[in-house]
Amino acid sequence: DAKTTQPPSMDCAEGRAANLPCNHSTISGNEYVYWYRQIHSQGPQYIIHGLKNNETNEMASLIITEDRKSSTLILPHATLRDTAVYYCIVRGGGSYIPTFGRGTSLIVHP
Amino acid sequence: GAVVSQHPSWVICKSGTSVKIECRSLDFQATTMFWYRQFPKQSLMLMATSNEGSKATYEQGVEKDKFLINHASLTLSTLTVTSAHPEDSSFYICSAPIDGVGETQYFGPGTRLLVL
Repeated sequence: DAKTTQPPSMDCAEGRAANLPCNHSTISGNEYVYWYRQIHSQGPQYIIHGLKNNETNEMASLIITEDRKSSTLILPHATLRDTAVYYCIVRGGGSYIPTFGRGTSLIVHP
Repeated sequence: GAVVSQHPSWVICKSGTSVKIECRSLDFQATTMFWYRQFPKQSLMLMATSNEGSKATYEQGVEKDKFLINHASLTLSTLTVTSAHPEDSSFYICSAPIDGVGETQYFGPGTRLLVL
């Protein structure tokens, strides 16, 4: 699986958009970009995934660059409950086991 | 959405005893489930892949005789920590792919184990 690079921490004001970047410059053509998050002392939660097109669901939007070497997870209106560690994972080609890096610790403040 | 449950949510045990943790897929069948371990302030580390009806596949460095995995049905996998020691204290999390093959994983809420 391609390696991902995320900033270790970010903060965001409540009600504002949170934009979490992820670099995956070695991604291959059949690999998807997945985002999960883990709120303190809970199991990870699936957020969204995409291959090359931008995706949106009720939780977030995923913007993937045209060359697919990076992506951004957007939480349009962050709330205090969005404080969590966000993991960007790239996988595909039959390798379907999420392998977690250090992720980005997002703190949403009032 | 799909739900994965774990039981118990937390357990405290004495050193040398065995602890069983259950992972259930509540509204879907899972031929494969995954077990992770997470130490404080660290990321999740995959321990093993649980396969229904066959032996589990363990990651390098994980002792299969210490962490016994049984996937007896399409909705239940169990992890038994045998002869637990304080260094086994950790947060244990299971996951299952919603489509039974791969893609999106749904995670259980985790089980916190404290070995005294």
